[in-house]
Amino acid sequence: SQTIHQWPATLVQPVGSPLSLECTVEGTSNPNLYWYRQAAGRGLQLLFYSVGIGQISSEVPQNLSASRPQDRQFILSSKKLLLSDSGFYLCAWRDGIYNSPLHFGNGTRLTVT
Amino acid sequence: SQKIEQNSEALNIQEGKTATLTCNYTNYSPAYLQWYRQDPGRGPVFLLLIRENEKEKRKERLKVTFDTTLKQSLFHITASQPADSATYLCAGNSGNTPLVFGKGTRLSVIA
Repeated sequence: SQTIHQWPATLVQPVGSPLSLECTVEGTSNPNLYWYRQAAGRGLQLLFYSVGIGQISSEVPQNLSASRPQDRQFILSSKKLLLSDSGFYLCAWRDGIYNSPLHFGNGTRLTVT
Repeated sequence: SQKIEQNSEALNIQEGKTATLTCNYTNYSPAYLQWYRQDPGRGPVFLLLIRENEKEKRKERLKVTFDTTLKQSLFHITASQPADSATYLCAGNSGNTPLVFGKGTRLSVIA
């Protein structure tokens, strides 16, 4: 069966520090991968998605970036965190079949201080 | 821009009653809508999908409707239980474009 791993579960980082969040999927190949951020009262905001290795689409311009170095690995990064980057970050995957549902990881709670 | 709106931020109901959550969409016509459940501190979990040409879909105590005239989906939980307390998210899209999510409705079922 397919599983998705996301880490760390919580993270406290100072303003200006770098960020690296990792997500891996097991049990499937060539998944579509997604990074969402969820802030209180704002719902799920799509940040990046990828339909294949090295293919990244950005939905929101900001100081975050994403990379997909391997088929089932998706990384969210920042060179310098801002206070406004605080939130709950969720990685998700779906297969490429039309209208297939998203499968989410358990998220990373990021607090930038 | 494409929008999914869940007009109730929170809903409280008595155990045993039917909970009805509303999802409206504007500025586009999603080919299908999906409903997810999210517990505090966890990622959303997929519950049901309904296509635009389907009027209704059921799964155990859950029922979803899709009204393209009203541009609305209703999500019902019958015989609600305290364990059904969670935030429920509506999402939609067309084709293989990324899902657009609503902000969710936090349901509390009171024993």
